[in-house]
Amino acid sequence: DAGITQSPRHKVTETGTPVTLRCHQTENHRYMYWYRQDPGHGLRLIHYSYGVKDTDKGEVSDGYSVSRSKTEDFLLTLESATSSQTSVYFCAIRIQGTDTEAFFGQGTRLTVV
Amino acid sequence: GENVEQHPSTLSVQEGDSAVIKCTYSDSASNYFPWYKQELGKGPQLIIDIRSNVGEKKDQRIAVTLNKTAKHFSLHITETQPEDSAVYFCAASIGPGSTLTFGKGTMLLVSP
Repeated sequence: DAGITQSPRHKVTETGTPVTLRCHQTENHRYMYWYRQDPGHGLRLIHYSYGVKDTDKGEVSDGYSVSRSKTEDFLLTLESATSSQTSVYFCAIRIQGTDTEAFFGQGTRLTVV
Repeated sequence: GENVEQHPSTLSVQEGDSAVIKCTYSDSASNYFPWYKQELGKGPQLIIDIRSNVGEKKDQRIAVTLNKTAKHFSLHITETQPEDSAVYFCAASIGPGSTLTFGKGTMLLVSP
């Protein structure tokens, strides 16, 4: 699993509140990704990072921001949570020089009420 | 952008039967096609991949085939076992440094 830890694993929050999800890895991988998984939509890329302070938007980035101040941590923030952001969020890493996300975390189930 | 269609959405088979999951892609520039298996409550796990310079790749009971002309690729699982029950995702990308586009997934149920 490349030492990927997501926290929290479950969270219930109220509409309009800020929420930060954390992805921590222990193997110094440069590339990290945040996906959301929803029934009928599969996995959709939110944001990704290719190094410290280097990030880019994915397919569904609206309403989300990310930060990567250290190689090992990639944070996903919902500035003002909405019910449409209720989802399961997965962090993933890509081994440099390869073409795909090799390892995914266990996921964070977020419910916005 | 790329669009990946995956069929069927659910597939039920008897233990020992074969299972086939099909995906089509829209971008002819796509040249890398991984497959993931996701067990209940876990993150996706990469199980096999194929590049556009080959037509088939096998790994024990699983195989992937690619038809570049028709822009579709398939996952084949032979001699299915109950532990093969999971959601399977296909994906496509245009290669190194590019992001993946995933299909919507297929729930495979293998009955003993």
